[in-house]
Amino acid sequence: QKEVEQDPGPLSVPEGAIVSLNCTYSNSAFQYFMWYRQYSRKGPELLMYTYSSGNKEDGRFTAQVDKSSKYISLFIRDSQPSDSATYLCANSKGAQKLVFGQGTRLTINP
Amino acid sequence: DGGITQSPKYLFRKEGQNVTLSCEQNLNHDAMYWYRQDPGQGLRLIYYSQIVNDFQKGDIAEGYSVSREKKESFPLTVTSAQKNPTAFYLCASTPEAGANVLTFGAGSRLTVL
Repeated sequence: QKEVEQDPGPLSVPEGAIVSLNCTYSNSAFQYFMWYRQYSRKGPELLMYTYSSGNKEDGRFTAQVDKSSKYISLFIRDSQPSDSATYLCANSKGAQKLVFGQGTRLTINP
Repeated sequence: DGGITQSPKYLFRKEGQNVTLSCEQNLNHDAMYWYRQDPGQGLRLIYYSQIVNDFQKGDIAEGYSVSREKKESFPLTVTSAQKNPTAFYLCASTPEAGANVLTFGAGSRLTVL
């Protein structure tokens, strides 16, 4: 079993839809949770960073962590074609290397 | 602008050849990392360096080598011993060892012919 599992998609939704991207993880020691966005043929860029359980909102993006079920989510409201990218979840146990999910490829159709 | 520069962006290699991918950062970050990205597998850590003249193997170091002679530079050599080198290679850095937030370069795409 991989430490971090992510549905690779692809996921295709119409513009304006609410998008839900999800990851599950197996190691209860993970404390830091991140979402990276990666446009085609580019390097990933940090989108959201959370510590422990709870929600964090940044504009149209909301990151949610449920440590009891080992489940993390990224919600995108009012999705735009510019949100089309691969989204990678990443977890960390602290001063340790990150563990990445497989990435979900998302397409927002105008 | 501060950032990470990777070169070349695209590279083709014949089987049996070694190739070196360049990674340069002007962020004054202490730690640098090399990841490999394959479709459906996410990012896997090849090597990382927490300080100049020191580096450690990651999860998939076999067939790769690195050096860290300068703080700004962390080149990766893909040797002929790497059985399946075709991939997208990403260099990243963090301000200090153990930090969680990675800054990535734009990547290098290596194709073995």
